[in-house]
Amino acid sequence: GQNIDQPTEMTATEGAIVQINCTYQTSGFNGLFWYQQHAGEAPTFLSYNVLDGLEEKGRFSSFLSRSKGYSYLLLKELQMKDSASYLCAVRAIQGGSYIPTFGRGTSLIVHP
Amino acid sequence: DTGVSQNPRHKITKRGQNVTFRCDPISEHNRLYWYRQTLGQGPEFLTYFQNEAQLEKSRLLSDRFSAERPKGSFSTLEIQRTEQGDSAMYLCASSTSRDRGRGKETQYFGPGTRLLVL
Repeated sequence: GQNIDQPTEMTATEGAIVQINCTYQTSGFNGLFWYQQHAGEAPTFLSYNVLDGLEEKGRFSSFLSRSKGYSYLLLKELQMKDSASYLCAVRAIQGGSYIPTFGRGTSLIVHP
Repeated sequence: DTGVSQNPRHKITKRGQNVTFRCDPISEHNRLYWYRQTLGQGPEFLTYFQNEAQLEKSRLLSDRFSAERPKGSFSTLEIQRTEQGDSAMYLCASSTSRDRGRGKETQYFGPGTRLLVL
């Protein structure tokens, strides 16, 4: 099985930087995804890491260390609309297929 | 293509009734996933299709749940003899294996069907 751990809730100030951590334990690792989910809506893709290092995309960056089973999502220049749940998902082989397993999500509250 | 669509968006049913949900994936996507999500939790994997073949099914999934993808396009998820614990958001996602060459294979989610069992 897989174990994915991320903080339940974080708060930050508009314009600031926030880092959301995700740790995981799995076998057959094949990539880590970050999704954003606003209340009552479906998750939307933010980033993907399969090799160690940092992937940057605009205000969002994601980092992966496979040896440590660790990833983080970095959000810069926070905006009010960034208030949402951020889901860490690990894809690993299950049977003969690669299946994503999601963490519980981190609820980010951005205040003025 | 406007993305993944799901119908109905909301369903209220009485305990013991059967319900069926439909998912229409992005047209060129050959992979389709069903998830269940409850409040405060991440999506929980239910089952996975590649084309019309159901390749994976969660071991936690009750035999009251069944899914089909008869022509490799749309999919249906049926829950028989619903229970109050089945109340959740049911999400469908699709992806294309062609993206795996680029290592990404992003899943695109539909808006979900919210089920309430009374």
